[in-house]
Amino acid sequence: DAGVIQSPRHEVTEMGQEVTLRCKPISGHDYLFWYRQTMMRGLELLIYFNNNVPIDDSGMPEDRFSAKMPNASFSTLKIQPSEPRDSAVYFCASSFRTSGFSSYNEQFFGPGTRLTVL
Amino acid sequence: GQNIDQPTEMTATEGAIVQINCTYQTSGFNGLFWYQQHAGEAPTFLSYNVLDGLEEKGRFSSFLSRSKGYSYLLLKELQMKDSASYLCAVREARTNDYKLSFGAGTTVTVRA
Repeated sequence: DAGVIQSPRHEVTEMGQEVTLRCKPISGHDYLFWYRQTMMRGLELLIYFNNNVPIDDSGMPEDRFSAKMPNASFSTLKIQPSEPRDSAVYFCASSFRTSGFSSYNEQFFGPGTRLTVL
Repeated sequence: GQNIDQPTEMTATEGAIVQINCTYQTSGFNGLFWYQQHAGEAPTFLSYNVLDGLEEKGRFSSFLSRSKGYSYLLLKELQMKDSASYLCAVREARTNDYKLSFGAGTTVTVRA
């Protein structure tokens, strides 16, 4: 398997522009997570989906951020309008649910998108 | 919610042992994870503990004490390639909840 695929790998944009980040999870995984990582705040969960349905979006910073998962193999994270404080590395991760008390449902991370908003 | 603490930085010599501690406070507990993240790369899974005790995986071991809200990651026979950030992450005990809360990470520098 190719692993989690994210695009673009790098994005530089100007304040006020719309930014769309894309993610393709590992085939067969039913959970998809969007994270943001900065030096100041570390790795933060923004939103996650189960079977394409958003389960928890409490980490989404504000209305400028939105995420969709139209099917099992594709998700987008959109920022509109973008601001300099949105500059960060955005990771997508996926996992699958296994049964049993000791199941750990390891999350597999994509390579990330480094976003710079000028 | 979660409150996860781990040291910011640690330095050790090649061939030595380093122990990275992680303490957490949570309203419920359903597993603790350790991830390794090299600079500029994605986090990769290292270990998982849900019961008290030590889990060993080659040069890496992870320990958990649920009553103390404490875990450590032990890196033995350090190699230069072990220089990375190590993230402690906790999963809350909520039905069907698979989200993780991550600590700020411990940057380990291995010197020759």
